[in-house]
Amino acid sequence: DTAVSQTPKYLVTQMGNDKSIKCEQNLGHDTMYWYKQDSKKFLKIMFSYNNKELIINETVPNRFSPKSPDKAHLNLHINSLELGDSAVYFCASSPNPQGAGPYEQYFGPGTRLTVT
Amino acid sequence: RKEVEQDPGPFNVPEGATVAFNCTYSNSASQSFFWYRQDCRKEPKLLMSVYSSGNEDGRFTAQLNRASQYISLLIRDSKLSDSATYLCVVNIYTGTASKLTFGTGTRLQVTL
Repeated sequence: DTAVSQTPKYLVTQMGNDKSIKCEQNLGHDTMYWYKQDSKKFLKIMFSYNNKELIINETVPNRFSPKSPDKAHLNLHINSLELGDSAVYFCASSPNPQGAGPYEQYFGPGTRLTVT
Repeated sequence: RKEVEQDPGPFNVPEGATVAFNCTYSNSASQSFFWYRQDCRKEPKLLMSVYSSGNEDGRFTAQLNRASQYISLLIRDSKLSDSATYLCVVNIYTGTASKLTFGTGTRLQVTL
């Protein structure tokens, strides 16, 4: 019954590797997001997709590439991993925003990425 | 200056106490406001939206002052289960996208 699910939950990898994180939501939402929460617990948006279309692309290195095969899935691929990529990555979804809101975003359980 | 500023705490309070958290935001174009709660090693979850008229949900009361760009959260009769990090969140709708900006959170520890 999980509303927003992510795999894997933990990911430990070496610098220079390429890895992917998958996200799926079964809430019927049109909009999905990727957030990064660093070691200081600061949660910052990276990307947002609405119905498979990229609508928010914050200042993120182009080693990070989101892909949305359909509106229920938003995956994150990271090339050439660096030590500074170590963080918790959260996927989220929300209804398609029409106007100022408010709109609740539903978060997945997070993927804890450790780059060694 | 951070877009959303909060006192990181921790706030250590005994059970039954009343505790208040404050938050300021810098972007006057912010349109909607929230408090999210994040338990240790868990995902953020919506606690409540914040409306200009102020709103209450059980022991929780939220206030918004748009002129001062200030948001508050009051928790009455604190419970052990209230221990968590409380995230102040503002939303700007760009016309195509709804973008949430999170504060760094205020940690609350409720003790016996």
